[in-house]
Order: sequence, then structure tokens, then C-alpha cells
Amino acid sequence: EDQVTQSPEALRLQEGESSSLNCSYTVSGLRGLFWYRQDPGKGPEFLFTLYSAGEEKEKERLKATLTKKESFLHITAPKPEDSATYLCAVQPGLGSGFQKLVFGTGTRLLVSP
Amino acid sequence: DARVTQTPRDKVTEMGQEVTMRCQPILGHNTVFWYRQTMKQGLELLAYFRNRAPLDDSGMPKDRFSAEMPDATLATLKIQPSEPRDSAVYFCASANSGGHEQFFGPGTRLTVL
Repeated sequence: EDQVTQSPEALRLQEGESSSLNCSYTVSGLRGLFWYRQDPGKGPEFLFTLYSAGEEKEKERLKATLTKKESFLHITAPKPEDSATYLCAVQPGLGSGFQKLVFGTGTRLLVSP
Repeated sequence: DARVTQTPRDKVTEMGQEVTMRCQPILGHNTVFWYRQTMKQGLELLAYFRNRAPLDDSGMPKDRFSAEMPDATLATLKIQPSEPRDSAVYFCASANSGGHEQFFGPGTRLTVL
């Protein structure tokens, strides 16, 4: 069964305090791994797609990395506006539902000034 | 401004009533997804369509839920009869068949009393 586990469930950082969020997964043939950001009362907003182990992508203070079993979202010198829930999802490569996403339950990040 | 729209944004109803949620995908996107989000389960895929045809509705309770795409600009999700356990936020997302990124709407918050 395709499964995504995110840790920690919640993370509180001081502004400028760098850290990483973890996403571990088991999937039947990985087609892609996705990171989304979700603000309260809004829909998830796409951040990154990673396709193969060793791949890295960056956007402002965020960098996503991928191995064969997990992905990390590194946050460098975070600011209060980075506070949100970060969702990880995998897209299985096998079976008829090749565009479906399987989501983790997310990491709630709070960055204090 | 290309974005997915959903109506209503909030819905409060009583147990046993019919609920209809609507989604307008991004113009040109031919794949539409329905998700349900709860604190306990996170984001769960209910159903998805490509070119208005249902591809996968295995995540949807068949006895009370139904999803349709009357035309390329409208997707609907109906619950009849609704139950308190259906209370959740329902998201619609769209994508094009060549891309992997899904773009989410703002969601419909459903409360069944």
C-alpha cells in the first residue's frame, strides 16, 4: 500500500533558526514526490516536484531533496511568513491511477519573530 | 488570473439533507480531482476525472456520494443523504494531462449537524 509519513507533526522555530521537515514514503514505483504549502482556510499551494533520488530543488528559503526512501524540506533562516502546514505527497507510478497523489498528514510550522 | 474556484465556501446542513458542491477547473485543464481533508485523515482522494470521464472513484463511499462533470468547466460532488461524519473540507484540484502539478481550489467547508 502506498504510504506517506511526515515528521514532526508540529515544529516551532525562532526567526532565523534553520531546520528540516521529513517525509518518508513507501510507494509502488515513484512517479514523483510533491511538496505543497497550505495556509489556514486555503487550499494547498504547489511548491516542488522531485522525480529521482539525488534531485534537489530550491525556492527562496526552501530546499527540497529526495532519496529512495524519504524527502527533506530544508528551511534556511525562516521568517514568520513561512508559517504554514507543509504537505508531502507521492504519485505512484504503477496502476491505472497514475496521476493520483497520496498525501501525508503534514507538518505544522510556526515561526516566531 | 487562472485559478480553481469552488462554491459554496461554507455549508452547514442537517443530517439527511442533500449537499452539492461545485468546482470550476482552470481553463484548459482536462483532469479534475476531488479530495476530502480532515484533521484525523489528512487529504484523501475521493475521485478524479480526465476529459470528463471518471477514472478512479475508489475513495468515495458509493452509497451516498456521486461525482460528475456535466461539462468541461464544471465538476460536481453530491452527498445524499449527508451524515455528521461527512463534515470536512472538500477540495477540488485540476491539472493538465501532460503535467504532474495539481492546482487546488479554496475548498468547501461542510458541517453536517
